[in-house]
Amino acid sequence: DAKTTQPPSMDCAEGRAANLPCNHSTISGNEYVYWYRQIHSQGPQYIIHGLKNNETNEMASLIITEDRKSSTLILPHATLRDTAVYYCIVWGGATNKLIFGTGTLLAVQP
Amino acid sequence: NAGVMQNPRHLVRRRGQEARLRCSPMKGHSHVYWYRQLPEEGLKFMVYLQKENIIDESGMPKERFSAEFPKEGPSILRIQQVVRGDSAAYFCASSPRTGPYEAFFGQGTRLTVV
Repeated sequence: DAKTTQPPSMDCAEGRAANLPCNHSTISGNEYVYWYRQIHSQGPQYIIHGLKNNETNEMASLIITEDRKSSTLILPHATLRDTAVYYCIVWGGATNKLIFGTGTLLAVQP
Repeated sequence: NAGVMQNPRHLVRRRGQEARLRCSPMKGHSHVYWYRQLPEEGLKFMVYLQKENIIDESGMPKERFSAEFPKEGPSILRIQQVVRGDSAAYFCASSPRTGPYEAFFGQGTRLTVV
């Protein structure tokens, strides 16, 4: 079973920042937080991952709370092409594979 | 560096036939994961393989399904005697070592059983 909780859906205006929350209150010390997205039944796309420090790459930023019980994925300037299901996944430790939950359907509105 | 390649992209089989789905991992990647996505549902883990070894097959149906990742060549997911309920998108992912590490997915094979 997935170890994360995400809202089922969110809306965001085009050009604005999209902030996608994720709760992972049972995360253990050697488990990472991963984010993937799936655009309209395409193969899932890796976005970013982190352990405890905030991370940024060309796609997004990942903010992890100090207690590591929750995190936020930030898409700084959402476009229509960012409309997708976003998955927050805990991976590592005793978990040897990605386990997908139900994710958040982000709809970017024009 | 080519990404994860899956073929065929679309496969139609009649009930009772066999389906063979292929996954060529990214260059240098020796770990492969298979997932199934039923229509309007989420991604479900099936099996995790390393070259010549099955590491975790906890998500594989007990009958008709098998997977291999030989020393040479692609990983194969084999479904024998397909039924309509096998109709789904099958995705594979590869990574260079045991997780956690970035795993990259292919575009999937869409199996339709008629």
